[in-house]
Amino acid sequence: IAGITQAPTSQILAAGRRMTLRCTQDMRHNAMYWYRQDLGLGLRLIHYSNTAGTTGKGEVPDGYSVSRANTDDFPLTLASAVPSQTSVYFCASSASTGAGANVLTFGAGSRLTVL
Amino acid sequence: GQNIDQPTEMTATEGAIVQINCTYQTSGFNGLFWYQQHAGEAPTFLSYNVLDGLEEKGRFSSFLSRSKGYSYLLLKELQMKDSASYLCAVMDSNYQLIWGAGTKLIIKP
Repeated sequence: IAGITQAPTSQILAAGRRMTLRCTQDMRHNAMYWYRQDLGLGLRLIHYSNTAGTTGKGEVPDGYSVSRANTDDFPLTLASAVPSQTSVYFCASSASTGAGANVLTFGAGSRLTVL
Repeated sequence: GQNIDQPTEMTATEGAIVQINCTYQTSGFNGLFWYQQHAGEAPTFLSYNVLDGLEEKGRFSSFLSRSKGYSYLLLKELQMKDSASYLCAVMDSNYQLIWGAGTKLIIKP
């Protein structure tokens, strides 16, 4: 089934630990995104990649890093987790960027709790 | 700053009609999106408006007025499965999506 796969689905993590959230898509979409979703707030963009080999910072990039070695994979790394990074993380992709009906396809999300 | 406003929660009755409003203030405008998100699930695309007017898609319609910075999502013949959060998002002049916090719609029998 075409779509986006995220792993893990859920994780409890001690503060200070390193954590990588995995994201893989099989739609050959050029653009990929990482969002966090917190209660009472809109989705906030962490990092994005318009095409393989390039990445950019979103609205809330501090404490996170990404890489885009190929079209399909876009992992998100928390180098040293802090409690404020407790959130639900969504990976998304789109066929293109820029104007037009740039529809996002989302993964099922990764619920991360940092204690 | 950029801002998207939508009601936090709405309640409606099965079979009825409900209108979810979204107002926005953004630096530029390159389209407005509505997404549906069931509890514990991923957002899924519902509609896209870039020109003023009404876009109809089955039981769902979306309206846009660019001069007023206003959109609404109209859901007709409500079903219990329509209970979800509805997210409004605007693409700004940099082609970045600005998201509202979402409207939780509760459908009662």
